[in-house]
Amino acid sequence: GAVVSQHPSRVICKSGTSVKIECRSLDFQATTMFWYRQFPKQSLMLMATSNEGSKATYEQGVEKDKFLINHASLTLSTLTVTSAHPEDSSFYICSARGRKAGSGANVLTFGAGSRLTVL
Amino acid sequence: AQSVTQLGSHVSVSEGALVLLRCNYSSSVPPYLFWYVQYPNQGLQLLLKYTSAATLVKGINGFEAEFKKSETSFHLTKPSAHMSDAAEYFCAVSVYGGSNYKLTFGKGTLLTVNP
Repeated sequence: GAVVSQHPSRVICKSGTSVKIECRSLDFQATTMFWYRQFPKQSLMLMATSNEGSKATYEQGVEKDKFLINHASLTLSTLTVTSAHPEDSSFYICSARGRKAGSGANVLTFGAGSRLTVL
Repeated sequence: AQSVTQLGSHVSVSEGALVLLRCNYSSSVPPYLFWYVQYPNQGLQLLLKYTSAATLVKGINGFEAEFKKSETSFHLTKPSAHMSDAAEYFCAVSVYGGSNYKLTFGKGTLLTVNP
């Protein structure tokens, strides 16, 4: 099946530092990547959508200067939380959409998530 | 805009009992509907999806869901619960938006299975 690798799975950082989370599609080309944020015991909230080679489209209320998203290739998207503060602590999940090589089937697969703790 | 309502934030069943997780959707256009499962500190795994073909959809791990347009529902069922089914379940709706399919998730239902 389609596999998405998200790294790191856990990260702890000091307030004011920046943290980068990577999302890689391992066996398909991800034309679109989605970044979600999940608070404890709550649902996933879409933060932004990025298409390869284009600027990300952010959902209302999401600070694009704080949550920098880069989708420079068909297999990699990154989310950078800049000047992190304790309120940014959360579980961040990416998902990637694309077509499997060979079959051409559409796939949408989620990464395993990254838990960010800002001290 | 589309939305999903999951009735019951927590469902508890005995092992071997029927599992029923409720989901109602709202959409101005024909929707795609999904059920995902999430285990602690993990991402989401697709259980099944409805994409305007058969209204009764069978998924992995013995789960199935039926799309009922008249009731705007997409409830998830499993005849006999296993301990390994204990997890958080999310219903999601998607409509085509430009070149992307955005998923809107419900708030989730935590399923606990008692021995």
